[in-house]
Amino acid sequence: QLQLQESGPGLVKPSETLSLTCTVSGDSLSSCDCYWDWVRQPPGKGLEWIGSISSSGSSYYSPSLMSRVTISVDTSRNQFSLKLSSVTAADTAVYYCGRRTVDRNHYHYFDYWGQGALVSVSS
Amino acid sequence: EIVLTQSPGTLSLSPGERATLSCRASQSVSSNYLAWYRQKPGQAPRLLIYGASSRATGIPDRFSGSGSGTDFALTISRLEPEDFAVYYCHQYSSLPLTFGPGTKVEIK
Repeated sequence: QLQLQESGPGLVKPSETLSLTCTVSGDSLSSCDCYWDWVRQPPGKGLEWIGSISSSGSSYYSPSLMSRVTISVDTSRNQFSLKLSSVTAADTAVYYCGRRTVDRNHYHYFDYWGQGALVSVSS
Repeated sequence: EIVLTQSPGTLSLSPGERATLSCRASQSVSSNYLAWYRQKPGQAPRLLIYGASSRATGIPDRFSGSGSGTDFALTISRLEPEDFAVYYCHQYSSLPLTFGPGTKVEIK
C-alpha cells in the first residue's frame, strides 16, 4: 500500500521560504507513469493546485505561484519537495502531497494523498 | 486557465435522499478529463469519479458521474451518513490543473 507523508516546519515567518518534503513509502516514486503533486487548502477554503513533477523529473507550476515555487525530486530517498519563497499570510494553508496516476486511457487522477501539513505564516 | 463553477454551494438533504451536484467549466474539458473528489473534515480528498463517469476503485455504485464538454454532474443516488461532506470537481484537461470551489452536502 502506497503511503505519502508530508514533513516540514509548521510555522514560517513572512518573507521567508516554506519548505516541505513528501516521503513516499510502499513503492518507488520512479516506477510509475505518474506525477507527484502539491495541492494546498487555506483554512475553510477550497483546493489549489501548486505544481507537480513527473517521475522523469519534468516540473509544472501554477502560473499564479510560478515565480516563487520550486518542486524537486530525490529518487534515492524516495522523496519530492516543495519550496515556496517570499511567503505571506496568504500562504497559510494545509499543504497536501499527492500522486497523480496516468492510466492507459490517459486519464489522470489523484489516487494517493498525504494526510496534509498545516503551515502557518506568521511573525 | 479553465475555471470550474460548482452549484449549489450548499445542499441540505436527509439520509437516503438523492443528491445532484453540478460542475460547469469556462471552456470545454477535452476528453472528459474531469474528476470528482469527496473531502471529509480534517481529511485529504478522496477520488470518487474520473474520466467524468468512471468510478474509482472501491467506490460504491450509488455514486455516478455524467456530462461532457462544459457541463458535468455527480449524482449520489441514496445519501449515506459518510456522504455528508464537501465535493470538488477537478479538471486535468489543461494546465494549470484547477478545482471547483466545492459543494457542501449537509444534513437537513
